[in-house]
Amino acid sequence: NAGVMQNPRHLVRRRGQEARLRCSPMKGHSHVYWYRQLPEEGLKFMVYLQKENIIDESGMPKERFSAEFPKEGPSILRIQQVVRGDSAAYFCASSPTVVDTIYFGEGSWLTVV
Amino acid sequence: GESVGLHLPTLSVQEGDNSIINCAYSNSASDYFIWYKQESGKGPQFIIDIRSNMDKRQGQRVTVLLNKTVKHLSLQIAATQPGDSAVYFCAEKLLGGGSNYKLTFGKGTLLTVNP
Repeated sequence: NAGVMQNPRHLVRRRGQEARLRCSPMKGHSHVYWYRQLPEEGLKFMVYLQKENIIDESGMPKERFSAEFPKEGPSILRIQQVVRGDSAAYFCASSPTVVDTIYFGEGSWLTVV
Repeated sequence: GESVGLHLPTLSVQEGDNSIINCAYSNSASDYFIWYKQESGKGPQFIIDIRSNMDKRQGQRVTVLLNKTVKHLSLQIAATQPGDSAVYFCAEKLLGGGSNYKLTFGKGTLLTVNP
């Protein structure tokens, strides 16, 4: 059973470009979460999605950030017009139900230059 | 703000010794706690969890202790090995709350195991 798969693992974008991060949850998991980790800090909740639904996006900046989890395909975290402060590790996680253990992917490291 | 915090940012131990990593939480309503291990350049790896109706839980070489009276959580690693070197995070969740999907993480403790 493959774990949570994220790609790309590393992404470099110039200021003003778009970053698109993808996440395939573990097989059988319909609950997906995105967390952000700034250097030397803990992870911060961004958004919680189920198939075709955003359940809670309270941790996401209101502008430039969006997330989706379509009926088919991976979950996407999209950051438009990136700025230097968006440089961070973005982790996707999944669980079979909301009360089960949450498993994390290996992360996507975004560097904005 | 943060409701989970760690007492020490770094911990250095000798190989073979036991390690104890501590965590304080401020939300007395939290009812589920998890320890994650994060190696450099990787994602958090689940180690062990504990629910608030327990005060101790053991895994392979690891033990988590929960003291609800003082809102304290600890992770004990027996016979620490070089492969245990990583950042350890505690995280909390309210299973019974409306946001029962949301983990709140502390900043982490860097464990270094010296050979």
